[in-house]
Amino acid sequence: NAGVTQTPKFQVLKTGQSMTLQCAQDMNHEYMSWYRQDPGMGLRLIHYSVGAGITDQGEVPNGYNVSRSTTEDFPLRLLSAAPSQTSVYFCASSSPIGGGYTEAFFGQGTRLTVV
Amino acid sequence: GQNIDQPTEMTATEGAIVQINCTYQTSGFNGLFWYQQHAGEAPTFLSYNVLDGLEEKGRFSSFLSRSKGYSYLLLKELQMKDSASYLCAVRGYQKVTFGTGTKLQVIP
Repeated sequence: NAGVTQTPKFQVLKTGQSMTLQCAQDMNHEYMSWYRQDPGMGLRLIHYSVGAGITDQGEVPNGYNVSRSTTEDFPLRLLSAAPSQTSVYFCASSSPIGGGYTEAFFGQGTRLTVV
Repeated sequence: GQNIDQPTEMTATEGAIVQINCTYQTSGFNGLFWYQQHAGEAPTFLSYNVLDGLEEKGRFSSFLSRSKGYSYLLLKELQMKDSASYLCAVRGYQKVTFGTGTKLQVIP
């Protein structure tokens, strides 16, 4: 059982470049989300999805796009990288159960540096 | 919106008990989670509370009071490997919002 697979683990981009962070889960979870983690800021929600074809913005969506064409995949696109997007990115998934949700399962993280 | 507050840092002695508090203000509440995160790693799930009261799981317990917007994580018989950040997270209607985390240092 692979859980949540996130790639790449490390990436260096030049300002203005674009790239896609990949996230895939094999647990048939409906809810998927992307967070960025910066020192002293905790995990901040970028975008989330409650199912295939449905996405919505989190706290810090500017500069990022997402799509959810399948239940399994939830890629995050950086449109034009900026140094302010240097961060550690985590993808997570969870599933509704009973009246609540299961815990979130996190990918290993992507350490992105924009120079 | 949601606002979550936790202490930034705490220090405790090996073998002791430590309580990490979390207060929250949220529009809609569908559960509170605690995660552990070691430096350089992804968060891992510790506990989940949706109803008031105490949930115990081995050395870790978590308490929730929805009326007070308050939770705590209790760690007993501290071990050096418990040195990590502890994240409080609240699920509202759809979104999950995380606090900034409490960095716990366990000293001999």
